[in-house]
Amino acid sequence: GALVYQYPRRTICKSGTSMRMECQAVGFQATSVAWYRQSPQKTFELIALSTVNSAIKYEQNFTQEKFPISHPNLSFSSMTVLNAYLEDRGLYLCGAVQGNTEVFFGKGTRLTVV
Amino acid sequence: QQKVQQSPESLIVPEGGMASLNCTFSDRNSQYFWWYRQHSGEGPKALMSIFSNGDKKEGRFTAHLNKASLYVSLHIKDSQPSDSALYFCAVSTGGNYKPTFGKGTSLVVHP
Repeated sequence: GALVYQYPRRTICKSGTSMRMECQAVGFQATSVAWYRQSPQKTFELIALSTVNSAIKYEQNFTQEKFPISHPNLSFSSMTVLNAYLEDRGLYLCGAVQGNTEVFFGKGTRLTVV
Repeated sequence: QQKVQQSPESLIVPEGGMASLNCTFSDRNSQYFWWYRQHSGEGPKALMSIFSNGDKKEGRFTAHLNKASLYVSLHIKDSQPSDSALYFCAVSTGGNYKPTFGKGTSLVVHP
């Protein structure tokens, strides 16, 4: 079956430092990867949609300078949160897209900033 | 910009009862609709997708879509305590997968 692994599952970083999270699709080829942040209030925000061999499209309020993404192949993507502050805390979800209508989410990386 | 609203915010049903979750959207170009379920500590899992007007039934779950009314719903028959979770409606206008999520409905099924 199709699975998406995210690691680390949770991380704590000091304010102003950076952390990198990874996303691995297993059992299928992900044409795109959507990175979301789920706030403590459970609201989803789309950060960016990354399609292999295309430019990564960031949503309003999210920039490459703050959330650089690497997507080298159809099964792996990583995202870094640079210079993390309190407002960056939340559950970061990777959604690996198969075709245009099926997406499989990982369990997320929970970021706490202290 | 697409607005997706879910109601109710929270719902409590007895075991064996029917749970009805509602979702409205604002963009008439919306084409793809999903219901996701998220248990505590987990990422969301796709429960059902519906792309055509009408009803779609999968086991105890029935999704209903009315694009003209900008409305999609999910009904869970014979609710079980294991159905207790956050349920999200997600809507996309098509093209690249880029759905907008609602804020979720918290469902509690009590034994």
